[in-house]
Amino acid sequence: DAMVIQNPRYQVTQFGKPVTLSCSQTLNHNVMYWYQQKSSQAPKLLFHYYDKDFNNEADTPDNFQSRRPNTSFCFLDIRSPGLGDAAMYLCATSRVEAGEFADTQYFGPGTRLTVL
Amino acid sequence: AQSVTQPDIHITVSEGASLELRCNYSYGATPYLFWYVQSPGQGLQLLLKYFSGDTLVQGIKGFEAEFKRSQSSFNLRKPSVHWSDAAEYFCAVGEIGGGADGLTFGKGTHLIIQP
Repeated sequence: DAMVIQNPRYQVTQFGKPVTLSCSQTLNHNVMYWYQQKSSQAPKLLFHYYDKDFNNEADTPDNFQSRRPNTSFCFLDIRSPGLGDAAMYLCATSRVEAGEFADTQYFGPGTRLTVL
Repeated sequence: AQSVTQPDIHITVSEGASLELRCNYSYGATPYLFWYVQSPGQGLQLLLKYFSGDTLVQGIKGFEAEFKRSQSSFNLRKPSVHWSDAAEYFCAVGEIGGGADGLTFGKGTHLIIQP
């Protein structure tokens, strides 16, 4: 089945130690998103890639970066994780035709990040 | 900017009873509306969506939702809940012409099913 895959499902890192979360998709969607979801809160969009174009949300901290080496993969890099970055990180994909609203977003299972 | 309000943080329903989860949005034109469900420790699964056309939309797992423009609402309903429906439910809105912009989510409603 076509799907969105996130690895690892659980990640533990130390305060200040860089960490990378991975997302891959078999849907051949041209847009990939990263959301942060803290406990008992709504998902919050961090940024997205529209093809190779990176789009950062205005309030996303500089500590968060992303890479998309090809259509299928997208990475979330946290350069110096703080305790406040502990959250579930959700990857989503969608297909956007030029000038149109994106179709449904399909979410991966998430990576739960713990910062010690 | 658009916003989504889910006024009920928690709802408790007896198994077999009917369910309605409320969602109100704020947006200047017709939005694109979604309901997602999230089980503990899991990602979000799409239940249903409204883009245009018939204002009553059917989704998976027996859920339906009705778009009411006059009330800026998109409430989720199910005639008879099952214990497996216990989860977090999120209403979300997307912007027409927003291209690849992300969704704006409500804060969620936690559904508890009583035996």
